[in-house]
Amino acid sequence: AQTVTQSQPEMSVQEAETVTLSCTYDTSESDYYLFWYKQPPSRQMILVIRQEAYKQQNATENRFSVNFQKAAKSFSLKISDSQLGDAAMYFCAYRSRPAWETSGSRLTFGEGTQLTVNP
Amino acid sequence: GAVVSQHPSWVICKSGTSVKIECRSLDFQATTMFWYRQFPKQSLMLMATSNEGSKATYEQGVEKDKFLINHASLTLSTLTVTSAHPEDSSFYICSAHPLGYSGRTYNEQFFGPGTRLTVL
Repeated sequence: AQTVTQSQPEMSVQEAETVTLSCTYDTSESDYYLFWYKQPPSRQMILVIRQEAYKQQNATENRFSVNFQKAAKSFSLKISDSQLGDAAMYFCAYRSRPAWETSGSRLTFGEGTQLTVNP
Repeated sequence: GAVVSQHPSWVICKSGTSVKIECRSLDFQATTMFWYRQFPKQSLMLMATSNEGSKATYEQGVEKDKFLINHASLTLSTLTVTSAHPEDSSFYICSAHPLGYSGRTYNEQFFGPGTRLTVL
């Protein structure tokens, strides 16, 4: 079974600064997806960024980027130019990629990191 | 696109009653829907995987007879909490996995806004 670990229960950052959230995972699979989700106080889950394991290039989405280290099984999220609206709980998640994707497979979530952005 | 709704968003019920929560994919079809439970300041815990037209697959430790899941169509899954008790009070979230035109699914799940259940 796959496991996802987020070792930072809480993090804080000053507005306009950069912060990195850590995530490690354990799997015996070679092909999979990794995600970062944001859950603001509204509790709506919002996809921040995704990474496909077979792609060596790190994914980026505007101010959000990842550092994907497949051999180390590490998947950190970097938020640049932090904004007050970035304050939320962030979850790292893993999803297997079966050979034939006729139906969705489950997400395995980490424990979450509560990010506070200080003005 | 890719919107998932849940109804109701908030429900209060008396102990011993049953509550039904609906999860709908509004603008896409989903062969697979997932039901999660989340306690305050904790992660999402997968309760069950729901596939259209077949029985749901429950995670270990989740009572099948207490949490009834029905996935009757490609756009609707329901979770019924039977004989609810105060310990069932929680935040319940569904997600849906789209079925693409080619028959292959996308690599993303779309989440509903959640339902807050309070059992008195």
